[in-house]
Amino acid sequence: KQEVTQIPAALSVPEGENLVLNCSFTDSAIYNLQWFRQDPGKGLTSLLLIQSSQREQTSGRLNASLDKSSGRSTLYIAASQPGDSATYLCAVSTGANSKLTFGKGITLSVRP
Amino acid sequence: DARVTQTPRHKVTEMGQEVTMRCQPILGHNTVFWYRQTMMQGLELLAYFRNRAPLDDSGMPKDRFSAEMPDATLATLKIQPSEPRDSAVYFCASVRGYGLGGGEQFFGPGTRLTVL
Repeated sequence: KQEVTQIPAALSVPEGENLVLNCSFTDSAIYNLQWFRQDPGKGLTSLLLIQSSQREQTSGRLNASLDKSSGRSTLYIAASQPGDSATYLCAVSTGANSKLTFGKGITLSVRP
Repeated sequence: DARVTQTPRHKVTEMGQEVTMRCQPILGHNTVFWYRQTMMQGLELLAYFRNRAPLDDSGMPKDRFSAEMPDATLATLKIQPSEPRDSAVYFCASVRGYGLGGGEQFFGPGTRLTVL
């Protein structure tokens, strides 16, 4: 059974800092990995999707990497801003039907 | 701007009442998921459909939950009878599933359910 872990559960950093959010998964036979952002009381917004054949994806200040063999992904946020404060969830697809297994998320607070 | 829509956004009901939540997936997306999110459990997959056919509903309490897709533009999740432990946010998500593993999943805004 696939398990996804995100540690730490919460993180607080000063504005402007570059930061890395970690995600690990137990079964390396994944099809893709997706990073989401969730603001309080809101739904999930897709940030980046990495297919199993890819090593990384970039969108603006965000860069996500994938190391399937070690069961790890990182989300790099450059020059963090208070508007980046949210919960970031990692999810992996291990089934042929797009089914995702989610981590519990990392709640990020960027202090002005 | 294509997006997944869900109704109602909020629902407060009393224990024992029937609750129906609705989801309109993004046009052209053939795979639809129902998730439940709580503080304790995080996001849990309840059921999902591909081309309107149920693929897996093992995450749902079968005695009280039911999920259907009467047509390609509507998915429903019903709880009957509802219980206080069903209080959670219920999300619908859709994806254009193709090949192995599928593509990017898009989530609706959720239905926040409170059962008193």
